Amino acid sequence: EVQLLESGGGLVRPGGSLRLSCATSGFAFTSMNWVRQAPGKGPEWVASISTSGDYTFYADSVRGRFTISRDNGKKSLYLQMNSLRADDTGVYYCLSRRGYWGQGTLVTVTS
Amino acid sequence: DIQMTQSPSSLSTSVGDRVTITCQASQDITNYLNWYQQKPGKAPKLLIYDASTLETGVPSRFSGSGSGTEFTFTISSLQPDDIATYYCQQYHDFPYTFGQGTRLEIK
Repeated sequence: EVQLLESGGGLVRPGGSLRLSCATSGFAFTSMNWVRQAPGKGPEWVASISTSGDYTFYADSVRGRFTISRDNGKKSLYLQMNSLRADDTGVYYCLSRRGYWGQGTLVTVTS
Repeated sequence: DIQMTQSPSSLSTSVGDRVTITCQASQDITNYLNWYQQKPGKAPKLLIYDASTLETGVPSRFSGSGSGTEFTFTISSLQPDDIATYYCQQYHDFPYTFGQGTRLEIK
């Protein structure tokens, strides 16, 4: 059974940090992505990482603030989010290349 | 970045109707296209991958076609459970990009 389980979301002040995790099982752990969805909006791609972890890609809106990483031994994906802003608020999903999504974790950035 | 233009943005439909949604890519993405269904408060669910391959367990009333820049998603006979928002997404190039979504409503 395909499973992706995100964790680590929460309420944070502007300028703060959070680290999201995504534990996976049941599918080939190849290239992976983080996608977010602001309230009432469509999905927005955030970052991707290659199977080996050697290559990473970021949306312009998060480059320099977010870092995607992975642990292939644990089949887990991570997103370190620093210098958070109000417009980073939303549900964050991990997404496999094959199109499988987790249930999401809510990040709320507010003062 | 590859732009995905999805239409219509909303559609008022009736149970039993044939529903068609289109997605146009700003450049050739061969068949690297997914279609998702999203219900309120839930994560998107994969319905179609590689533009036309039905995900395991997805009812056969859903189908996808197209390649290159023009893609179509069809529900052959709308069921009440199909009321949702549908998105296309290309995975040919980074950044992966989504269509704006099509919200289905019941007349």
